[in-house]
Amino acid sequence: EAQVTQNPRYLITVTGKKLTVTCSQNMNHEYMSWYRQDPGLGLRQIYYSMNVEVTDKGDVPEGYKVSRKEKRNFPLILESPSPNQTSLYFCASSLSGAADTQYFGPGTRLTVL
Amino acid sequence: DQQVKQNSPSLSVQEGRISILNCDYTNSMFDYFLWYKKYPAEGPTFLISISSIKDKNEDGRFTVFLNKSAKHLSLHIVPSQPGDSAVYFCAAISTTSGTYKYIFGTGTRLKVLA
Repeated sequence: EAQVTQNPRYLITVTGKKLTVTCSQNMNHEYMSWYRQDPGLGLRQIYYSMNVEVTDKGDVPEGYKVSRKEKRNFPLILESPSPNQTSLYFCASSLSGAADTQYFGPGTRLTVL
Repeated sequence: DQQVKQNSPSLSVQEGRISILNCDYTNSMFDYFLWYKKYPAEGPTFLISISSIKDKNEDGRFTVFLNKSAKHLSLHIVPSQPGDSAVYFCAAISTTSGTYKYIFGTGTRLKVLA
């Protein structure tokens, strides 16, 4: 089954404790992306990747890191999480970046205390 | 600066009637526009898209209209069904700028009343 998976689905952590949210797709997609969803702000893109070893900033990259060492994986790293990073995070992938349909993962709800 | 705006946070429509969801944008460099639907506790799912060289795209009950001079697009759902109740996001991307960065609106919650 074609899908985008994220882990964990729920995470409660404390300020400053490094964490990684994994994202994996099995559709051989080149384009992958991370978004956060906050009430009243909609979806905002954090980082995206056009292909392996190619990443670029979205609208709200501060406080986040990403890497794309393999085509299927695109982990989101919070080196020192803060309470303002409490949010619902979505990973997405598409065949290319040129307005192809993006397939979204189920979301990761992160709470930073 | 919100480049993509959905000014109506919510909309209620009777089953069988037309739902019209609106989206305004400011960046004339956007060349593709997309609509996504989101149910609670799920990721968004793609609905329909339109290229900036077109003014209309239709897929079954869903039609997207683009008015470039007004920098406005709308999604029409006819007839509306209770299963259409969800949050709808419009999104835009500029592929010619080389950034491939997606900008989403804040969403409109549609409620279709049976």
